[in-house]
Amino acid sequence: GDSVTQMEGPVTLSEEAFLTINCTYTATGYPSLFWYVQYPGEGLQLLLKATKADDKGSNKGFEATYRKETTSFHLEKGSVQVSDSAVYFCALYSSGGSNYKLTFGKGTLLTVNP
Amino acid sequence: EPEVTQTPSHQVTQMGQEVILRCVPISNHLYFYWYRQILGQKVEFLVSFYNNEISEKSEIFDDQFSVERPDGSNFTLKIRSTKLEDSAMYFCASNRDRVTDTQYFGPGTRLTVL
Repeated sequence: GDSVTQMEGPVTLSEEAFLTINCTYTATGYPSLFWYVQYPGEGLQLLLKATKADDKGSNKGFEATYRKETTSFHLEKGSVQVSDSAVYFCALYSSGGSNYKLTFGKGTLLTVNP
Repeated sequence: EPEVTQTPSHQVTQMGQEVILRCVPISNHLYFYWYRQILGQKVEFLVSFYNNEISEKSEIFDDQFSVERPDGSNFTLKIRSTKLEDSAMYFCASNRDRVTDTQYFGPGTRLTVL
């Protein structure tokens, strides 16, 4: 079945550091890929998405490129801020047949210190 | 901006008791979902709902679980006789079009079964 593996946390960085959170997936067909973010006390918010190979999703300085050859969708940001502290979830969405659910990774807690 | 809301934010119950978790999806959305996250584990799909019936359910969603849209706005998840292992964060989500549209999540209800 479908699965998502993402980098174990927690990740602790200083402000303005470079961020990478690795995500790889296993899926049949051609899934769409997502990064969701959960700020403390809030729900899951869509951060960015990519729907086909080589697409780059971007939002709020975050980027991720859909790499079919390596089945990866790594999240990057060039310069993190304290306000980026949150849990980040990689997810895939397979819409083959009757399967319309999101499959999530475990989440990676990011803490950015001033 | 419209958002998915969930109540209560935290529910504590005794093992064997019934609980109802409530969600108000975004008003023009047609597809509704429940996910859960046991502490430290992945966010897992439970069930999807459309046109007043279940579209898909996971193996987790056994006879102890049921969903309902009792009126035009609420979407509920009932656990008939809670077990300790039902302790988790439960997320509701909705979208307009399940094939192409992003799922929008609520803030979650933390269920603690004692």
